Amino acid sequence: ETGVTQTPRHLVMGMTNKKSLKCEQHLGHNAMYWYKQSAKKPLELMFVYSLEERVENNSVPSRFSPECPNSSHLFLHLHTLQPEDSALYLCASSQDRGGSGSPLHFGNGTRLTVT
Amino acid sequence: QQQVKQSPQSLIVQKGGISIINCAYENTAFDYFPWYQQFPGKGPALLIAIRPDVSEKKEGRFTISFNKSAKQFSLHIMDSQPGDSATYFCAASGRSSYKLIFGSGTRLLVRP
Repeated sequence: ETGVTQTPRHLVMGMTNKKSLKCEQHLGHNAMYWYKQSAKKPLELMFVYSLEERVENNSVPSRFSPECPNSSHLFLHLHTLQPEDSALYLCASSQDRGGSGSPLHFGNGTRLTVT
Repeated sequence: QQQVKQSPQSLIVQKGGISIINCAYENTAFDYFPWYQQFPGKGPALLIAIRPDVSEKKEGRFTISFNKSAKQFSLHIMDSQPGDSATYFCAASGRSSYKLIFGSGTRLLVRP
């Protein structure tokens, strides 16, 4: 496999459920990102990890909990979500800092629906 | 100051025409300006990027024009094709930052 792979592609969960989103990158990159894409805020950065250390936490509610066990894997643990959390969750990776000119490589996302 | 304002929200162009999407920013610390292209069901992908030391960058049919004094930059798609129909996002970042600030997106439709 190549690129950035996200699973599952679609997820429907109730407000009391606990679920996890998974991201895997096969590019040898050092940084991994979670973005939220919705109609209201098209591409909103949630978390950034560089070499497994969290370097950005963009005032995200605690019901979203990221985990980066190694430089190739990133998880987003979800619990007691709200209907307004329904969105497309995109994972991305980059070799270096995005601002340095290192392109972000995005996965195809997980479409989350909270009922 | 962290915002990037993008317009128009949607754009319809005839095949062979020129598509123009505009973005404006406030933060003078931004020095990297990429454009991303997103097709339905896919994640965004880098299309072209520019730094403020040049006023224009061209890659095939895609050109970024950059106006540092006005703090504006734009994407021009020459000879637009139906396959260019997608959502386009401008973005901005500081050199030492991991954080890309994205515009609100422009949905482009190129009619055959």
